[in-house]
Amino acid sequence: DTGVSQDPRHKITKRGQNVTFRCDPISEHNRLYWYRQTLGQGPEFLTYFQNEAQLEKSRLLSDRFSAERPKGSFSTLEIQRTEQGDSAMYLCASSFWRQDEAFFGQGTRLTVV
Amino acid sequence: AQTVTQSQPEMSVQEAETVTLSCTYDTSESDYYLFWYKQPPSRQMILVIRQEAYKQQNATENRFSVNFQKAAKSFSLKISDSQLGDAAMYFCAYRGLGSYNTDKLIFGTGTRLQVFP
Repeated sequence: DTGVSQDPRHKITKRGQNVTFRCDPISEHNRLYWYRQTLGQGPEFLTYFQNEAQLEKSRLLSDRFSAERPKGSFSTLEIQRTEQGDSAMYLCASSFWRQDEAFFGQGTRLTVV
Repeated sequence: AQTVTQSQPEMSVQEAETVTLSCTYDTSESDYYLFWYKQPPSRQMILVIRQEAYKQQNATENRFSVNFQKAAKSFSLKISDSQLGDAAMYFCAYRGLGSYNTDKLIFGTGTRLQVFP
């Protein structure tokens, strides 16, 4: 296993378009997290899955954002009607037990023009 | 709500010297983990060191050690014998372990460490 994989690495989109990101966690990890990181800031929590169940969503996650984790494997994060304020690095992380460290992917950098 | 504060936006150190990065946090929970993550430019975030709140002994990982002061809610990272490869953003992070927690990490704003030869 090569770690947490995110695709694409970079995405440039026009305002108003929909975008979808994919995260493949480490295979035996049942916990999956999405974070958003803007320039000069630390990552901010967006949402959390335990297996296929989405157990928490941040207030940062407006109704334009939706995340899924079908079958408890990979996850997708979709942003509808993108806005310039959505420009950020979107990070995915996974872990096995709650006490374990979270392993991060390299992130998807979104630029909305 | 829990918060994590890193008051040093940037720090610099000369190669082979020692540097300490500061972190304070606020929580009403008694059971939690604290972490230091390193984020090199354009590379993924990796764990440097972690500390369980119930352990009084400070964690150590090779050249990296922490000074955990639970009563003061302080969690600083000391890097000894600094190397050029230590240059990165360093994030302090908190994870609560109460039963209602979803294990999310709460991050500080980061400290950019520069290492000079």
